[in-house]
Amino acid sequence: GAVVSQHPSRVICKSGTSVKIECRSLDFQATTMFWYRQFPKQSLMLMATSNEGSKATYEQGVEKDKFLINHASLTLSTLTVTSAHPEDSSFYICSAARKSGGKQFFGPGTRLTVL
Amino acid sequence: GESVGLHLPTLSVQEGDNSIINCAYSNSASDYFIWYKQESGKGPQFIIDIRSNMDKRQGQRVTVLLNKTVKHLSLQIAATQPGDSAVYFCAENDNDYKLSFGAGTTVTVRA
Repeated sequence: GAVVSQHPSRVICKSGTSVKIECRSLDFQATTMFWYRQFPKQSLMLMATSNEGSKATYEQGVEKDKFLINHASLTLSTLTVTSAHPEDSSFYICSAARKSGGKQFFGPGTRLTVL
Repeated sequence: GESVGLHLPTLSVQEGDNSIINCAYSNSASDYFIWYKQESGKGPQFIIDIRSNMDKRQGQRVTVLLNKTVKHLSLQIAATQPGDSAVYFCAENDNDYKLSFGAGTTVTVRA
């Protein structure tokens, strides 16, 4: 149990376009979902925390208008990278928790490459 | 802000030997710690966790030790196997229930 999926696994887009990444909890309901970004050979950095039905809470330095997060249901959260640029190329990973403060289960990640 | 860090960025170990991966943390308020394994191109995989009211916890082939006095966390892997080659991260859970990850240690198992 506690499986989290992400779609797509890889995406390549042109600079200036927007990209949507989905995160789904497949066999449990996730009250809270988290989005992380990981650059090559670096650690995971938390971008934002989203709770179902409410606005996401962004970490310092993360532009909320550039990284749009929607957590419309207990099994789905989406991250939209708007007007993507090459510096946004990264590995984006989501995690989901049944409740706030609960154990986080991680998705397989999405590799974004912006040309 | 405070962060979690690792002592060594890389570790090379002979197959069959035991591995020890270290982690230093600085947030004395953290009460929950987790070790994750990340293989190339994949998301983090939970290995083992420990709460601050414990100093040792054992799993299958893995043991986590917590020394709150010196704010040190370690992961011991017994009889290291080729499949253990990966990047290992420690993470701490602060009062806001957010995870802060350490820099990561790359473990390479020699055959």
